[in-house]
Amino acid sequence: KAGVTQTPRYLIKTRGQQVTLSCSPISGHRSVSWYQQTPGQGLQFLFEYFSETQRNKGNFPGRFSGRQFSNSRSEMNVSTLELGDSALYLCASSGLGRTSETQYFGPGTRLLVL
Amino acid sequence: AQKVTQAQTEISVVEKEDVTLDCVYETRDTTYYLFWYKQPPSGELVFLIRRNSFDEQNEISGRYSWNFQKSTSSFNFTITASQVVDSAVYFCALGPGGGFKTIFGAGTRLFVKA
Repeated sequence: KAGVTQTPRYLIKTRGQQVTLSCSPISGHRSVSWYQQTPGQGLQFLFEYFSETQRNKGNFPGRFSGRQFSNSRSEMNVSTLELGDSALYLCASSGLGRTSETQYFGPGTRLLVL
Repeated sequence: AQKVTQAQTEISVVEKEDVTLDCVYETRDTTYYLFWYKQPPSGELVFLIRRNSFDEQNEISGRYSWNFQKSTSSFNFTITASQVVDSAVYFCALGPGGGFKTIFGAGTRLFVKA
């Protein structure tokens, strides 16, 4: 079974631009979560989608948004980029997003904002 | 509030040494899950183990073993006879599991020298 895939793997943007990251979950998985990892703040939960609906949300500003498609693929968008948005963005999937399930992570997208 | 503390920021050992990574957690939930993930330089978080709060049995998987003690709110991870390939950042995490918000510790960077 293929794992979680994320595209692109690396991205360089400038302040004020917007960016869209993509995540394809493990086949059959319907829950997709996004995390931001920075040296200063560590791994922080952004949001989770299930059946095309945002079900859980972390403490991030509205510039961070996402969506999920009917095939469970998910995209994350960051508008008006700031230098502090430079991070590794990790996507994770689980079957139905039940509390008893394990999240499996993708390789991440490394975003650099200049 | 939920919290995961990994007090060891970095550990350096020589190959074949045993090493224990500490994890202490805080939660008021009676049902919860604890996880360990490994993050090699490539960036992907690799799932190692999940333990639910009702199962205090220790677990061994090859050179890896985990010691879960609810009385001390600890979930420690031991690598026996460490190898260079074990060099990575290891994260302990706490959460309901699935797509719900998972709290990660700050991580412990393990260096295994040949």
